Amino acid sequence: AQSVAQPEDQVNVAEGNPLTVKCTYSVSGNPYLFWYVQYPNRGLQFLLKYITGDNLVKGSYGFEAEFNKSQTSFHLKKPSALVSDSALYFCAVRALISSGSARQLTFGSGTQLTVLP
Amino acid sequence: DAGITQSPRHKVTETGTPVTLRCHQTENHRYMYWYRQDPGHGLRLIHYSYGVKDTDKGEVSDGYSVSRSKTEDFLLTLESATSSQTSVYFCAIKNVQDMTYEQYFGPGTRLTVT
Repeated sequence: AQSVAQPEDQVNVAEGNPLTVKCTYSVSGNPYLFWYVQYPNRGLQFLLKYITGDNLVKGSYGFEAEFNKSQTSFHLKKPSALVSDSALYFCAVRALISSGSARQLTFGSGTQLTVLP
Repeated sequence: DAGITQSPRHKVTETGTPVTLRCHQTENHRYMYWYRQDPGHGLRLIHYSYGVKDTDKGEVSDGYSVSRSKTEDFLLTLESATSSQTSVYFCAIKNVQDMTYEQYFGPGTRLTVT
């Protein structure tokens, strides 16, 4: 089965410290991987993606993610966290869905990031 | 929110009543999606559309139907609402012109079925 997992429901980090939000995937073929952020009472906002090329991908708001094929991971990182980064983060993989013939986005269950002042 | 509006933004309805949620986009995108968001499940695809009158099922389509009679509008209907359909519903579009594959989301509709 093709899937994506976010092993941590909650991540707490102090402002100014580096942050990591973890994501692992299981998919046939080459994965297309995405990170989204959701602020309270808002829709999801696209942060960054990996399709091909460099394993380190840079995105919006200073976030970056590292694609690791051998570990099937795509962890989201930021060198110095801000209180305003506190939000719900979703990893997603473009994959075949069981009921259809087209490749669609499959989302992880989300990780709540809290940056403490 | 990428030129996507959803209506209503909040709705409370009773079990057994029909409910229709509307997604409207202003940028003429071909692909549109309906997801539901529930704690511990992330977002799950209900139905999607790849053109006017062209729709297909997602992973959680039971109890839902969709229609797309115009490019700009994608309707999600709960024929007979149940409490298990209490959720936040998100519409999304995909811009395929540059083959970038990411989707852009609307602000969501919070539906409560009592």
